[in-house]
Amino acid sequence: GAGVSQSPRYKVTKRGQDVALRCDPISGHVSLYWYRQALGQGPEFLTYFNYEAQQDKSGLPNDRFSAERPEGSISTLTIQRTEQRDSAMYRCASSDHALASSSYEQYFGPGTRLTVT
Amino acid sequence: GEDVEQSLFLSVREGDSSVINCTYTDSSSTYLYWYKQEPGAGLQLLTYIFSNMDMKQDQRLTVLLNKKDKHLSLRIADTQTGDSAIYFCAESRYNFNKFYFGSGTKLNVKP
Repeated sequence: GAGVSQSPRYKVTKRGQDVALRCDPISGHVSLYWYRQALGQGPEFLTYFNYEAQQDKSGLPNDRFSAERPEGSISTLTIQRTEQRDSAMYRCASSDHALASSSYEQYFGPGTRLTVT
Repeated sequence: GEDVEQSLFLSVREGDSSVINCTYTDSSSTYLYWYKQEPGAGLQLLTYIFSNMDMKQDQRLTVLLNKKDKHLSLRIADTQTGDSAIYFCAESRYNFNKFYFGSGTKLNVKP
């Protein structure tokens, strides 16, 4: 596709349920990032992948959060046993990190708005 | 995040210049970025500057970097109502992969 896509765009779930958020990066992009954005705040880094390898997961808040990118393309962020404090916009970004890229630009998707009731 | 700070609001009249400011704390910052967020949309990269530059101009946008004071600004010339949005300052550090964002400045352009 032309840009980064995410699904679903909106997700309402009950406390205690598991949710899976999907990110489809720009075709051919090597790196994929997950961010969480609370209302009135900037995006906060969660984790990132180069190809299928998870390089840094230091931003994941606790072990209820996990992410995978098994084939180096689409990624899923999973939140188990959701809590109300997990409510936020979850954003995905991708980057090509090609040798020709000198700025490591990250291209963001529209986000998934998660509401835990 | 607390490493990158921005003022929350800016209001200007159409046709005036807007200046959005950002301060950061980490001296290892390599690239600094300005992103624009419109309602219901993702973050759109507007421009970026490498840390060894002082200034970068791109059409109506001028980025100024004072590395000594760790201060970054974005000037929008001839501001239009379509420029109304939230503007985020972001920095990447030595590993390039983790971006640290400010809380965003909401720009309101009055006709």
